[in-house]
Amino acid sequence: EDKVVQSPLSLVVHEGDTVTLNCSYEVTNFRSLLWYKQEKKAPTFLFMLTSSGIEKKSGRLSSILDKKELFSILNITATQTGDSAVYLCAVESGQGAQKLVFGQGTRLTINP
Amino acid sequence: NAGVTQTPKFRVLKTGQSMTLLCAQDMNHEYMYWYRQDPGMGLRLIHYSVGEGTTAKGEVPDGYNVSRLKKQNFLLGLESAAPSQTSVYFCASSQPRTGYNDNEQFFGPGTRLTVL
Repeated sequence: EDKVVQSPLSLVVHEGDTVTLNCSYEVTNFRSLLWYKQEKKAPTFLFMLTSSGIEKKSGRLSSILDKKELFSILNITATQTGDSAVYLCAVESGQGAQKLVFGQGTRLTINP
Repeated sequence: NAGVTQTPKFRVLKTGQSMTLLCAQDMNHEYMYWYRQDPGMGLRLIHYSVGEGTTAKGEVPDGYNVSRLKKQNFLLGLESAAPSQTSVYFCASSQPRTGYNDNEQFFGPGTRLTVL
């Protein structure tokens, strides 16, 4: 059975701190790993990772994938209160439609 | 572009009642999906469609039916609602993969359903 596990489940930090969110997975026929940010409603896309060791970066956010050890990390530097959200990790496996298996999410709270 | 829209936003049902959730997308996407999100469990795939007239089961299909009569719409039906179906339902759409482009799923705003 495909499985995605995120840690920690909850994290509270002060504005300006750097945080690292973790995602480990066990899936058959891995195709890609995706990170989403979910504030109050719809998840919004952050990154898609398909190759090991290649960092993807967008502003203060970055992510990297290790396909040998089956995990990914999402880093956020110089955190701001607007970064407060649930961060979701999902893995795509198999052929055809983009069927995603999601982790439980990490709830990140940034205090001013 | 409205993206992915869902109706209704909220609904309260009594056990045994039926209802249909509507998802519409204006991005001409081939693939559409229905997920449910429960506390502490992330999102789980209910059903999906790879094109007009086609549907397939996801991870948790029991108690739900779907139809995709038009490319832009994907309907999720509950024939006889149960309290275990209390959840937030998200629809999503995407394009088929071509190489390793970032063809991510775009999500709708969700429907909060309570079954009493």
